[in-house]
Amino acid sequence: GAVVSQHPSRVICKSGTSVKIECRSLDFQATTMFWYRQFPKQSLMLMATSNEGSKATYEQGVEKDKFLINHASLTLSTLTVTSAHPEDSSFYICSARRGRAGETQYFGPGTRLLVL
Amino acid sequence: DAKTTQPTSMDCAEGRAANLPCNHSTISGNEYVYWYRQIHSQGPQYIIHGLKNNETNEMASLIITEDRKSSTLILPHATLRDTAVYYCIVRPYNTDKLIFGTGTRLQVFP
Repeated sequence: GAVVSQHPSRVICKSGTSVKIECRSLDFQATTMFWYRQFPKQSLMLMATSNEGSKATYEQGVEKDKFLINHASLTLSTLTVTSAHPEDSSFYICSARRGRAGETQYFGPGTRLLVL
Repeated sequence: DAKTTQPTSMDCAEGRAANLPCNHSTISGNEYVYWYRQIHSQGPQYIIHGLKNNETNEMASLIITEDRKSSTLILPHATLRDTAVYYCIVRPYNTDKLIFGTGTRLQVFP
């Protein structure tokens, strides 16, 4: 199979703090990982594409200084929400792709972030 | 914007086949049709994908019309655990960007 994990599954933090979310591909090497955000009753929106060993590519409207992405290895990408505010509360989901562009993406279980 | 149109919701009796339609009338020749589903409060789960031919795996079958302008995902024997939002996505073969629409909310009832 192609298993992707995320940690933590849910996090509650105070406004102004930073939160790190990990995404791991457990049984394959992922040259590229993706980060999505999903607000209640809405669909998933791609935030950024992360390639191992290089800078992430952010979608229009996503602040790269607020959502720091690091893809240090072929099995781990991290998303850090810096100086989180209540409007950042959302469901953050990562996906991972093995092989070349266009191969199937497999999604993690998601991380629910609540900023008080 | 999503390039697909799906019904907002559907119901299906447990044990019966669930047929979920998707319209993608503007699909290009190099674009695949992907299906994912999202069970409440979980990440999307890959189901199946296809280009031109019909496809079948252990989860579902995908029927693509000859003109490729529409497709149907078939869950042959729906169970209560198949209750989810099903997303039909069109994606060029050499790109990664998945554009999720609003999907079809499938409710399987006993």
